[in-house]
Parts: sequence; C-alpha cells; structure tokens
Amino acid sequence: AQRVTQPEKLLSVFKGAPVELKCNYSYSGSPELFWYVQYSRQRLQLLLRHISRESIKGFTADLNKGETSFHLKKPFAQEEDSAMYYCALRPGTYKYIFGTGTRLKVLA
Amino acid sequence: NAGVMQNPRHLVRRRGQEARLRCSPMKGHSHVYWYRQLPEEGLKFMVYLQKENIIDESGMPKERFSAEFPKEGPSILRIQQVVRGDSAAYFCASSPVQGNTDTQYFGPGTRLTVL
Repeated sequence: AQRVTQPEKLLSVFKGAPVELKCNYSYSGSPELFWYVQYSRQRLQLLLRHISRESIKGFTADLNKGETSFHLKKPFAQEEDSAMYYCALRPGTYKYIFGTGTRLKVLA
Repeated sequence: NAGVMQNPRHLVRRRGQEARLRCSPMKGHSHVYWYRQLPEEGLKFMVYLQKENIIDESGMPKERFSAEFPKEGPSILRIQQVVRGDSAAYFCASSPVQGNTDTQYFGPGTRLTVL
C-alpha cells in the first residue's frame, strides 16, 4: 500500500535549535517526494521536492531509500518557520498522497 | 497571477442540503485536482479534471459527489444531500500540464461545516 507517515503531530523547538521533521513512506517503485508548508492563514505551498536537491529557506531533505524516509531538516530554527508541514508522495502519477502533517512551533 | 482561487472559503450547510464548491485555476492552467482533508487526516485525492473531461475520479465517494470543469468558468465540486461526515476542508489544485511532470499549485481551500 502507498502511504506517508508523519509520526509527530506537534514539534516544538526553541529558536536557534535544529529541526527535524520526520517522514516515512511506503511505496515499491521509485518515489517522488515533496514537502509542502502551510503558514497561518495561507495556502499550501511547495517547500521542496527531492529531485531538485535544493535548499529552500534553509531547509533540506534527503531521500533515504534504504530507510524509506524523507526527513526535513534545518540547522537553526527561526520563529517564522512556525507552520504546518506536510510530506507528500507522488507515486508516478498526478495523485499526491499526503501525510497527516506536523505542526512546527518555534519558541522564542 | 492571482493563484488558484476557491470560493466560498467557508460554507455552512444543514444535513440534506447541497454544497457547491468552486475552483478557478491559475491562468494558463488546464488541469484541476480536488482533495479532501478530514479532521486530523492528510489531504486525500478525490478527482482530476481537464476542461470538459473527468480524467480520474477514483477518490470520489460513489454517491452524492460530482465534479465538473466546463469549457468556460470554474471547476465545481458538488455534494448533494450533505451529511455530517462531509464536514472537511476541500482543496483544489491546478497545473499547466499533467501533474506528474509539474507542480500542483493549491488554493486556500473551502471549509465545509455540516450542521
């Protein structure tokens, strides 16, 4: 079955601390993985996709096929990073399969 | 480019009424996708449409739900005889080409509450 698991509903960190948002997926083929972010009262927007291998707003994510993970990381959290983060799998078609999301709270 | 527009943003209906949700894709986008987010769950794919065509409705409930994307005007997601379990956030996304090669851009969502 194709599935995305984000085990943490809420993650609280202090400003300046490292952040890791966990994402594990279940898919037998070659996955295409994404992180979407939703800031308060804003729409869902693409943060990054694994094929781009880029860093956006200081966030990176590496696809680990052995562990079937695509964790989102940032070395130093900022208050403006507080948002809802969704990991998504696109298994070779147009459909996204989303995780349940993790709310990140960065405390001053 | 104003982005994907959805209206209304909030919709309240009583059980048995009809709900109509509208989605205007980004300019130049001819592919529309609807997702539903039930409380405490992730977004789930419902239907994929191109102009005047339903390409994939495998995520749509078999009854009471329908979607269209006419030649002119927005895409409409229609829920007949709503029940409390239909309360959710409904998101629309659009892409210029089929979304497996391009990013889908999401609208702000419509939050449906069924009393």
